[in-house]
Amino acid sequence: AQSVSQHNHHVILSEAASLELGCNYSYGGTVNLFWYVQYPGQHLQLLLKYFSGDPLVKGIKGFEAEFIKSKFSFNLRKPSVQWSDTAEYFCAVNAGGGADGLTFGKGTHLIIQP
Amino acid sequence: EAQVTQNPRYLITVTGKKLTVTCSQNMNHEYMSWYRQDPGLGLRQIYYSMNVEVTDKGDVPEGYKVSRKEKRNFPLILESPSPNQTSLYFCASSLKGGPYEQYFGPGTRLTVT
Repeated sequence: AQSVSQHNHHVILSEAASLELGCNYSYGGTVNLFWYVQYPGQHLQLLLKYFSGDPLVKGIKGFEAEFIKSKFSFNLRKPSVQWSDTAEYFCAVNAGGGADGLTFGKGTHLIIQP
Repeated sequence: EAQVTQNPRYLITVTGKKLTVTCSQNMNHEYMSWYRQDPGLGLRQIYYSMNVEVTDKGDVPEGYKVSRKEKRNFPLILESPSPNQTSLYFCASSLKGGPYEQYFGPGTRLTVT
């Protein structure tokens, strides 16, 4: 079974700093990759997804992620964070188009200080 | 408005008292799933359903039951809740199983004393 690792459990940044959240997965075949965000007290929302094609994917709110197949990674980036980006971020993987849905990482709690 | 709804949003109950958390979606999605979210553990899948009358265990199914009699509804049943089932529960749906965006409900915070 596939697994997803998010290396940073808690990240604290100042506004305008650049962000990179790591995500690695363990599956050797075709993968479909997602980043979800959970703002305080809210449900999960999709930030961006990668299925195929250009490995650099752009999502909502200025976020982007790069799929690097050789590194089994799908890191999330944002050039300049805002206080409103304070949230929990989850990386998720669907392996090979498997019908059983998504496997989620444990999440990264991001705090942006004004 | 396309959405996934869950009820109740908050529930405090006692050990052993059967409860049901309802989940409903209005997007005609085939796939529905239940997750629990615990600090430091992320989201773990409890059960999922590929379509009506088709359900399967996720990673942490012990102590839970589900049913899928109608496409839009996917209730989560705790026959005899225990304190280790205190958690935040999310229902999600997607067009089909597999690599499709999942839409999440608002969550149900359950406390079992």
